Amino acid sequence: EVQLLESGGGLVQPGGSLRLSCAGSGFTFSNYAMTWVRQAPGKGLEWVSVITYTGGETYYTESVKGRFTISRDNSKNTVYLQMTSLRAEDTAVYYCAKNGAYGDCDYWGQGTLVAVSS
Amino acid sequence: DIQMTQSPSSLSATVGDRVTITCRASQTISNYLNWYQHKPGKAPKTLIYTASSLQSGVPSRFSGSGSGTEFTLTISSLQPEDFATYYCQQSYTTPRTFGQGTKLDIK
Repeated sequence: EVQLLESGGGLVQPGGSLRLSCAGSGFTFSNYAMTWVRQAPGKGLEWVSVITYTGGETYYTESVKGRFTISRDNSKNTVYLQMTSLRAEDTAVYYCAKNGAYGDCDYWGQGTLVAVSS
Repeated sequence: DIQMTQSPSSLSATVGDRVTITCRASQTISNYLNWYQHKPGKAPKTLIYTASSLQSGVPSRFSGSGSGTEFTLTISSLQPEDFATYYCQQSYTTPRTFGQGTKLDIK
């Protein structure tokens, strides 16, 4: 059974940093791209970032470029999202998702809440 | 960026109804279109990928169609557990944008 477990969320002040982790199990982690998606309170789903299965390519939505960094450690079956210079508008539940063969998100974690507030 | 527009934004329906949600892309995305179901406090669930392929374990009352820029998600006979918000997403190029969502509630 595919499982994805996010951790690392919490309350942080504007301008602060946080690192999210997502541990995968039940599949060969190193064979799949991984994605982060977020949902701000009362808003819809927003695609944030994707990393290829080797970690060699990464892509971001414009609003987080230069502030967020996605990475992975295939020896630990874990993908990370390093978030810096956090803003109030980054407040959201952050989900990690395993990618299918067509760039779809075929399995999702339960999410971790990031709240940016003073 | 490719803009994804869903219609309607909200929809009221009754158990047993046939429901159709439309998703339009601002440029062609071939069949790189996915549909997700999301309930409050839960992980999103994948329903359809590549426009019409049913994700494993998803009931056959869900179906998808379309290509290019126009896509539809159809629920043939609504069940109580189907009341949720539905999102389309293009995976043709990054950023892999989502539609704004369609909230389906009980009439």
